[in-house]
Amino acid sequence: QVQLMESGGGVVQPGRSLRLSCAASGFTFSTFGMYWVRQVPGKGLEWVAVISDDATNKYYADSTKGRFTISRDNSKNTLYLQMNSLRVEDTAMYYCAISAAASSWGQGTLVTVSS
Amino acid sequence: DIVMTQSPDSLAVSLGERATIKCKSSQSVLYSSNKQNYLAWYQQKPGQPPKLLIYWASTRESGVPDRFSGSGSGTDFTLTISSLQAEDVAVYYCHQYYSTAWTFGQGTKVEI
Repeated sequence: QVQLMESGGGVVQPGRSLRLSCAASGFTFSTFGMYWVRQVPGKGLEWVAVISDDATNKYYADSTKGRFTISRDNSKNTLYLQMNSLRVEDTAMYYCAISAAASSWGQGTLVTVSS
Repeated sequence: DIVMTQSPDSLAVSLGERATIKCKSSQSVLYSSNKQNYLAWYQQKPGQPPKLLIYWASTRESGVPDRFSGSGSGTDFTLTISSLQAEDVAVYYCHQYYSTAWTFGQGTKVEI
């Protein structure tokens, strides 16, 4: 079955960097676009970035543009999110999700930005 | 971005009674070429990721109980739980995937 496993979250100081990973299995990873979506604890859902199946197209939410970079390695079935210049307001649970009508989501990885 | 607005923000329903959640999008999410509404509903319980219930506005995800149903088209959608069970206590989100910039409703908390 479809599985998405995020990792790489943790506690980081403002201005520092963090790289998240999402390991995919159970489907043909290279044929689907992929999203990162985040959720501030106790709050709503916000899309962060999306990448096309072949990585030629990438789009970012205004709140992350210029600071975050989405990428993928189809040979490793893995999605990445490089987060630079982190801010307190980036504190959230980060989920990876398949770009599909019947989208599957991972369990999430928690990023806490705090001094 | 397409703005998704849910109502109500919270809802208390007796066990076995019907729960109805509305979702309105700021623009149509009906794609004319395939006549599909790019609208999904998710259920989220505390400490868990969102779980897909409904996609294409009315298609139930495999394994989802048939007491959950979705309806609507264009800009107005409804999620109905026909007979509320204790395990249905959760926050429910509508979500449009018509636009690359995915957006979500603010959530509706359903309680007993």
